[in-house]
Amino acid sequence: DTGVSQDPRHKITKRGQNVTFRCDPISEHNRLYWYRQTLGQGPEFLTYFQNEAQLEKSRLLSDRFSAERPKGSFSTLEIQRTEQGDSAMYLCASSFSTAEAFFGQGTRLTVV
Amino acid sequence: DAKTTQPTSMDCAEGRAANLPCNHSTISGNEYVYWYRQIHSQGPQYIIHGLKNNETNEMASLIITEDRKSSTLILPHATLRDTAVYYCIPRRTLNFGNEKLTFGTGTRLTIIP
Repeated sequence: DTGVSQDPRHKITKRGQNVTFRCDPISEHNRLYWYRQTLGQGPEFLTYFQNEAQLEKSRLLSDRFSAERPKGSFSTLEIQRTEQGDSAMYLCASSFSTAEAFFGQGTRLTVV
Repeated sequence: DAKTTQPTSMDCAEGRAANLPCNHSTISGNEYVYWYRQIHSQGPQYIIHGLKNNETNEMASLIITEDRKSSTLILPHATLRDTAVYYCIPRRTLNFGNEKLTFGTGTRLTIIP
Protein backbone atom coordinates (compact mmCIF):
# COMPACT_ATOMS: atom_id res chain seq x y z
CA ASP A 1 0.00 0.00 0.00
CA THR A 2 1.61 3.27 -1.07
CA GLY A 3 -0.97 5.60 0.46
CA VAL A 4 -0.65 7.91 3.46
CA SER A 5 -0.24 5.85 6.62
CA GLN A 6 -1.21 6.97 10.10
CA ASP A 7 -0.46 5.30 13.39
CA PRO A 8 -2.19 4.49 15.64
CA ARG A 9 -5.68 4.29 14.17
CA HIS A 10 -7.29 4.67 17.58
CA LYS A 11 -6.00 6.08 20.85
CA ILE A 12 -7.75 6.32 24.19
CA THR A 13 -5.98 8.36 26.82
CA LYS A 14 -6.67 9.85 30.20
CA ARG A 15 -6.99 13.60 30.57
CA GLY A 16 -3.63 15.16 31.28
CA GLN A 17 -1.57 12.55 29.47
CA ASN A 18 0.61 13.26 26.45
CA VAL A 19 -0.03 11.54 23.12
CA THR A 20 1.94 11.35 19.88
CA PHE A 21 0.67 10.43 16.45
CA ARG A 22 2.71 9.48 13.44
CA CYS A 23 2.09 10.09 9.75
CA ASP A 24 4.02 8.52 6.88
CA PRO A 25 3.28 10.43 3.67
CA ILE A 26 3.36 9.08 0.16
CA SER A 27 6.96 8.68 -0.89
CA GLU A 28 8.43 11.79 -2.55
CA HIS A 29 5.53 14.01 -1.51
CA ASN A 30 7.16 17.20 -0.28
CA ARG A 31 4.08 18.69 1.39
CA LEU A 32 2.46 17.30 4.51
CA TYR A 33 -0.67 18.59 6.27
CA TRP A 34 -2.39 17.92 9.58
CA TYR A 35 -6.12 18.41 10.05
CA ARG A 36 -8.52 17.81 12.92
CA GLN A 37 -12.12 16.70 12.52
CA THR A 38 -14.83 16.63 15.17
CA LEU A 39 -18.14 14.85 14.84
CA GLY A 40 -20.42 16.34 12.20
CA GLN A 41 -17.88 18.89 11.02
CA GLY A 42 -15.52 19.04 8.09
CA PRO A 43 -11.78 18.71 8.69
CA GLU A 44 -10.06 21.83 10.07
CA PHE A 45 -6.54 22.76 9.05
CA LEU A 46 -3.89 22.62 11.78
CA THR A 47 -0.50 22.96 10.13
CA TYR A 48 1.53 22.19 7.04
CA PHE A 49 5.11 21.38 6.12
CA GLN A 50 7.06 21.76 2.96
CA ASN A 51 9.86 19.26 3.31
CA GLU A 52 11.08 19.76 6.91
CA ALA A 53 9.95 23.38 7.22
CA GLN A 54 6.71 24.13 9.04
CA LEU A 55 5.26 26.93 6.92
CA GLU A 56 1.86 27.61 8.45
CA LYS A 57 0.14 26.95 11.76
CA SER A 58 -3.53 27.50 12.51
CA ARG A 59 -4.66 29.36 15.60
CA LEU A 60 -6.28 26.03 16.53
CA LEU A 61 -2.79 24.73 17.24
CA SER A 62 -2.42 25.79 20.86
CA ASP A 63 0.84 25.70 22.82
CA ARG A 64 0.02 22.14 23.86
CA PHE A 65 0.30 20.97 20.26
CA SER A 66 3.56 20.51 18.42
CA ALA A 67 4.31 18.99 15.06
CA GLU A 68 7.58 17.99 13.51
CA ARG A 69 8.79 16.59 10.26
CA PRO A 70 12.45 15.69 10.69
CA LYS A 71 14.33 15.13 7.45
CA GLY A 72 11.22 15.94 5.47
CA SER A 73 9.86 12.41 5.64
CA PHE A 74 7.42 11.20 8.31
CA SER A 75 5.75 13.62 10.69
CA THR A 76 4.65 13.49 14.31
CA LEU A 77 1.92 15.43 16.07
CA GLU A 78 2.19 15.61 19.84
CA ILE A 79 -0.50 16.82 22.21
CA GLN A 80 0.62 17.56 25.75
CA ARG A 81 -1.67 17.55 28.79
CA THR A 82 -4.64 16.32 26.78
CA GLU A 83 -8.10 17.73 27.46
CA GLN A 84 -11.50 16.26 26.68
CA GLY A 85 -11.92 18.89 23.96
CA ASP A 86 -8.98 17.34 22.12
CA SER A 87 -11.11 14.28 21.32
CA ALA A 88 -11.32 14.20 17.54
CA MET A 89 -10.09 12.51 14.38
CA TYR A 90 -6.60 13.70 13.45
CA LEU A 91 -5.99 13.48 9.71
CA CYS A 92 -2.73 13.67 7.81
CA ALA A 93 -2.45 14.42 4.11
CA SER A 94 0.41 14.75 1.67
CA SER A 95 0.89 16.17 -1.80
CA PHE A 96 3.59 16.71 -4.34
CA SER A 97 3.96 20.42 -4.92
CA THR A 98 0.60 21.95 -5.82
CA ALA A 99 -1.13 18.74 -6.83
CA GLU A 100 -4.10 17.33 -5.00
CA ALA A 101 -3.65 16.16 -1.42
CA PHE A 102 -4.08 12.51 -0.43
CA PHE A 103 -5.37 11.79 3.04
CA GLY A 104 -4.67 8.98 5.46
CA GLN A 105 -7.32 7.08 7.39
CA GLY A 106 -6.81 9.23 10.45
CA THR A 107 -6.14 8.65 14.14
CA ARG A 108 -9.21 8.80 16.35
CA LEU A 109 -8.33 10.22 19.76
CA THR A 110 -10.63 9.80 22.74
CA VAL A 111 -9.72 11.62 25.94
CA VAL A 112 -11.48 10.23 29.03
CA ASP B 1 -11.06 32.43 1.12
CA ALA B 2 -14.35 32.14 -0.72
CA LYS B 3 -17.39 30.89 1.20
CA THR B 4 -19.41 27.98 -0.13
CA THR B 5 -23.02 26.89 0.23
CA GLN B 6 -24.01 23.27 -0.29
CA PRO B 7 -27.23 21.39 0.47
CA THR B 8 -27.00 19.61 3.80
CA SER B 9 -28.17 16.31 2.37
CA MET B 10 -29.36 14.67 -0.84
CA ASP B 11 -30.66 11.27 -1.91
CA CYS B 12 -30.11 9.62 -5.28
CA ALA B 13 -31.32 6.31 -6.66
CA GLU B 14 -28.68 3.75 -7.46
CA GLY B 15 -27.74 3.81 -11.15
CA ARG B 16 -28.93 7.38 -11.64
CA ALA B 17 -26.76 10.45 -12.06
CA ALA B 18 -26.12 12.31 -8.82
CA ASN B 19 -25.86 16.07 -9.28
CA LEU B 20 -24.35 17.93 -6.33
CA PRO B 21 -24.54 21.73 -6.46
CA CYS B 22 -22.23 24.22 -4.81
CA ASN B 23 -22.55 27.98 -4.62
CA HIS B 24 -19.28 29.91 -4.37
CA SER B 25 -20.38 33.39 -5.40
CA THR B 26 -17.38 35.10 -3.73
CA ILE B 27 -14.76 32.98 -5.48
CA SER B 28 -11.79 34.97 -6.76
CA GLY B 29 -10.06 34.62 -10.08
CA ASN B 30 -7.09 32.78 -8.58
CA GLU B 31 -9.15 30.07 -6.89
CA TYR B 32 -9.82 26.65 -8.29
CA VAL B 33 -12.88 24.64 -7.28
CA TYR B 34 -11.89 21.34 -5.66
CA TRP B 35 -14.21 18.49 -4.77
CA TYR B 36 -13.43 15.89 -2.12
CA ARG B 37 -15.59 13.24 -0.56
CA GLN B 38 -15.41 11.42 2.76
CA ILE B 39 -16.83 7.99 3.21
CA HIS B 40 -17.75 7.13 6.78
CA SER B 41 -14.70 6.59 9.04
CA GLN B 42 -12.23 7.26 6.24
CA GLY B 43 -10.07 10.22 5.28
CA PRO B 44 -11.24 12.60 2.55
CA GLN B 45 -10.69 11.45 -1.03
CA TYR B 46 -9.87 13.79 -3.91
CA ILE B 47 -12.40 13.68 -6.76
CA ILE B 48 -11.77 16.45 -9.26
CA HIS B 49 -10.92 20.14 -9.60
CA GLY B 50 -11.29 22.90 -12.17
CA LEU B 51 -10.80 26.61 -12.78
CA LYS B 52 -13.06 27.72 -15.64
CA ASN B 53 -13.70 24.89 -18.01
CA ASN B 54 -15.72 21.78 -17.40
CA GLU B 55 -13.64 18.81 -16.33
CA THR B 56 -14.15 15.06 -16.46
CA ASN B 57 -12.18 12.16 -15.05
CA GLU B 58 -12.86 8.52 -14.28
CA MET B 59 -14.76 9.41 -11.12
CA ALA B 60 -16.90 12.39 -12.01
CA SER B 61 -17.62 15.47 -14.12
CA LEU B 62 -17.40 19.05 -12.91
CA ILE B 63 -19.52 21.76 -14.48
CA ILE B 64 -18.55 25.35 -13.61
CA THR B 65 -20.84 28.20 -14.61
CA GLU B 66 -19.43 30.87 -16.88
CA ASP B 67 -19.44 33.47 -14.09
CA ARG B 68 -17.76 30.87 -11.79
CA LYS B 69 -20.20 31.58 -9.00
CA SER B 70 -21.43 28.01 -8.82
CA SER B 71 -20.54 24.51 -9.88
CA THR B 72 -22.08 21.05 -10.04
CA LEU B 73 -20.38 17.75 -9.42
CA ILE B 74 -21.90 14.92 -11.43
CA LEU B 75 -21.52 11.25 -10.58
CA PRO B 76 -22.88 9.70 -13.78
CA HIS B 77 -24.00 6.31 -12.49
CA ALA B 78 -24.20 6.38 -8.71
CA THR B 79 -23.49 3.21 -6.77
CA LEU B 80 -23.97 2.41 -3.09
CA ARG B 81 -20.25 3.02 -2.58
CA ASP B 82 -20.77 6.66 -3.52
CA THR B 83 -22.63 7.27 -0.27
CA ALA B 84 -20.45 9.87 1.45
CA VAL B 85 -20.13 13.52 2.46
CA TYR B 86 -19.09 15.65 -0.52
CA TYR B 87 -17.13 18.84 -0.01
CA CYS B 88 -16.80 21.72 -2.48
CA ILE B 89 -13.64 23.73 -1.69
CA PRO B 90 -12.23 26.84 -3.38
CA ARG B 91 -8.46 26.73 -3.22
CA ARG B 92 -5.91 29.29 -4.29
CA THR B 93 -3.20 28.51 -6.77
CA LEU B 94 0.37 28.04 -5.63
CA ASN B 95 1.47 31.50 -6.66
CA PHE B 96 -0.60 32.98 -3.85
CA GLY B 97 0.96 30.63 -1.31
CA ASN B 98 -2.25 29.37 0.28
CA GLU B 99 -1.95 25.62 0.33
CA LYS B 100 -4.55 24.46 2.75
CA LEU B 101 -8.01 23.09 2.03
CA THR B 102 -10.81 24.82 3.93
CA PHE B 103 -13.62 22.32 4.39
CA GLY B 104 -17.21 23.33 5.10
CA THR B 105 -19.84 20.90 6.31
CA GLY B 106 -20.48 19.45 2.84
CA THR B 107 -23.43 17.54 1.38
CA ARG B 108 -24.31 14.14 2.78
CA LEU B 109 -25.22 12.07 -0.31
CA THR B 110 -27.12 8.85 0.27
CA ILE B 111 -27.52 6.41 -2.60
CA ILE B 112 -30.79 4.52 -2.33
CA PRO B 113 -30.88 0.91 -3.60
